[in-house]
Amino acid sequence: GAGVSQTPSNKVTEKGKYVELRCDPISGHTALYWYRQSLGQGPEFLIYFQGTGAADDSGLPNDRFFAVRPEGSVSTLKIQRTERGDSAVYLCASSPLAGAQETQYFGPGTRLLVL
Amino acid sequence: DQQVKQNSPSLSVQEGRISILNCDYTNSMFDYFLWYKKYPAEGPTFLISISSIKDKNEDGRFTVFLNKSAKHLSLHIVPSQPGDSAVYFCAASFGNQFYFGTGTSLTVIP
Repeated sequence: GAGVSQTPSNKVTEKGKYVELRCDPISGHTALYWYRQSLGQGPEFLIYFQGTGAADDSGLPNDRFFAVRPEGSVSTLKIQRTERGDSAVYLCASSPLAGAQETQYFGPGTRLLVL
Repeated sequence: DQQVKQNSPSLSVQEGRISILNCDYTNSMFDYFLWYKKYPAEGPTFLISISSIKDKNEDGRFTVFLNKSAKHLSLHIVPSQPGDSAVYFCAASFGNQFYFGTGTSLTVIP
């Protein structure tokens, strides 16, 4: 399929560990977004990329969170020293261009559980 | 601070009737509004949107209404079908940031 894919689909880790979550956007999509969805909540904006650069990272909760998109395609969300409160579904979305009127296509998410 | 709110966590409707899902927002800077539909274990799927310069947008069985003075939008689904059963999120945007509500779980009863 040509949709957004995310790996792994599930990740269980221990408090204090480092994790990487991967997003493969739709080919040719310039904009890429990361969201976090906690239980009972809607998706919460974390960061978005326009090409290779992070155009807006104001949603990252603290400096333990970092994301890269070195070649303007695949993106990796990195979480250092994980905490139990980081447990959530991490969603990635891509769109042809940035902007509210561009439809965002979401991946199925990575469910992260920090024990 | 929740800028987009969906106060009804769930809604049940008979097949063929109208489903009305509501959403309120607080930030007058929002200039674009969207509705997403989500099935379990899948990411949200875009459904319909509306610009702040309009008060209504229709696409088939789905209509979104925007009342800027009340900072309120609603999604109408007519007629409702069992396949519409899902969680519906409203979202609001300014710039390139998107703020989502907490979702309303719609069940359409056959």
